[in-house]
Amino acid sequence: DAGVIQSPRHEVTEMGQEVTLRCKPISGHDYLFWYRQTMMRGLELLIYFNNNVPIDDSGMPEDRFSAKMPNASFSTLKIQPSEPRDSAVYFCASSDGSGGNEQFFGPGTRLTVL
Amino acid sequence: GIQVEQSPPDLILQEGANSTLRCNFSDSVNNLQWFHQNPWGQLINLFYIPSGTKQNGRLSATTVATERYSLLYISSSQTTDSGVYFCAVVKPDSWGKLQFGAGTQVVVTP
Repeated sequence: DAGVIQSPRHEVTEMGQEVTLRCKPISGHDYLFWYRQTMMRGLELLIYFNNNVPIDDSGMPEDRFSAKMPNASFSTLKIQPSEPRDSAVYFCASSDGSGGNEQFFGPGTRLTVL
Repeated sequence: GIQVEQSPPDLILQEGANSTLRCNFSDSVNNLQWFHQNPWGQLINLFYIPSGTKQNGRLSATTVATERYSLLYISSSQTTDSGVYFCAVVKPDSWGKLQFGAGTQVVVTP
């Protein structure tokens, strides 16, 4: 399997612009997670989906962030408008939900907002 | 929420040395994972180990769930072992929410 795929790997944008991050989970996995990693807060869960339905979005920082999963093989995380404090590495992870739900992570997208 | 504490925060090893990393957690868990974040930022799954002992090559891990800790052993360390090691747990009532520790930064010198 190709693993979790994320794009782009790096994104540099200016404050106020819209940013869209993309994720393709491992085939057959029906759970998808979005995490953010910063120096100050470490790794934190933003939102997760089960069977394309958002289950818990309590980690989404504010209304500027939104996530969708239109089908089982694709999810997006959108930031509009972006701010410098959104600069971070955004990881997508997926799981097949068996047992205790082992999660597998993608390579991440490094976002820089100038 | 659950607290996850990792120790030591930093570790410098000479190639060939052995080491033990520790993860303490404050509540019962039904999922515990160890990850290695390499210098390129990728998070590599090492172990899924909510209880018991597992081994994979030079790495092994033990979780004592009743005492709320897990240990990661690195034997005969190599420079490629450098990076940050994270422990992450999930509480039974927080299904899917991995709570990460702050990590242990490991540097292996030649």
